[in-house]
Amino acid sequence: GAGVSQTPSNKVTEKGKYVELRCDPISGHTALYWYRQSLGQGPEFLIYFQGTGAADDSGLPNDRFFAVRPEGSVSTLKIQRTERGDSAVYLCASSLLRSGANVLTFGAGSRLTVL
Amino acid sequence: GQQVMQIPQYQHVQEGEDFTTYCNSSTTLSNIQWYKQRPGGHPVFLIQLVKSGEVKKQKRLTFQFGEAKKNSSLHITATQTTDVGTYFCAGSTQGGSARQLTFGSGTQLTVLP
Repeated sequence: GAGVSQTPSNKVTEKGKYVELRCDPISGHTALYWYRQSLGQGPEFLIYFQGTGAADDSGLPNDRFFAVRPEGSVSTLKIQRTERGDSAVYLCASSLLRSGANVLTFGAGSRLTVL
Repeated sequence: GQQVMQIPQYQHVQEGEDFTTYCNSSTTLSNIQWYKQRPGGHPVFLIQLVKSGEVKKQKRLTFQFGEAKKNSSLHITATQTTDVGTYFCAGSTQGGSARQLTFGSGTQLTVLP
């Protein structure tokens, strides 16, 4: 597509529920990233995919968070047993990795509110 | 782990005044990028600096990368209301998880007409 598409744009859920957030990257972009942004803060790295595999998942806060990218395109971020502290905007970004360049194109984000 | 700090956190300027935000990394960076996030929007890439001491200009915006590749700055000359937003630096290190960017906490710029 023309840009990075994220759905849903807003998600309100109750504590303890399961949530899935979807990201559709720019066509042809091999790298995909998930970041989390809390109010007044910069994006916080969660996980990075190169193709289908998670090349770096060091930013996932705990085992309640998991992400997949089964066909090397669309990715889903999954959060189990949501907690109020998970409330944030979840940003997806993709990039066309070139030597020495790693410019991220972000989607509009999915705002998650855990009540 | 790598930390990227930005100052100031907030800046209010009168339209026409200059503005500067500073970025400091706890580790040597392979490159640094700058992003702008408009209120209610998402980060949008502005520029990437790679070389030690590099200076790049985009119209009224001047970006610098320090000689030691541990700090950077963004300077806006004669701010306009369209400059409103939060400016983030994001650094990348060599080796290991070289592909992830670490973002600073941003500088929120308000331009008063």
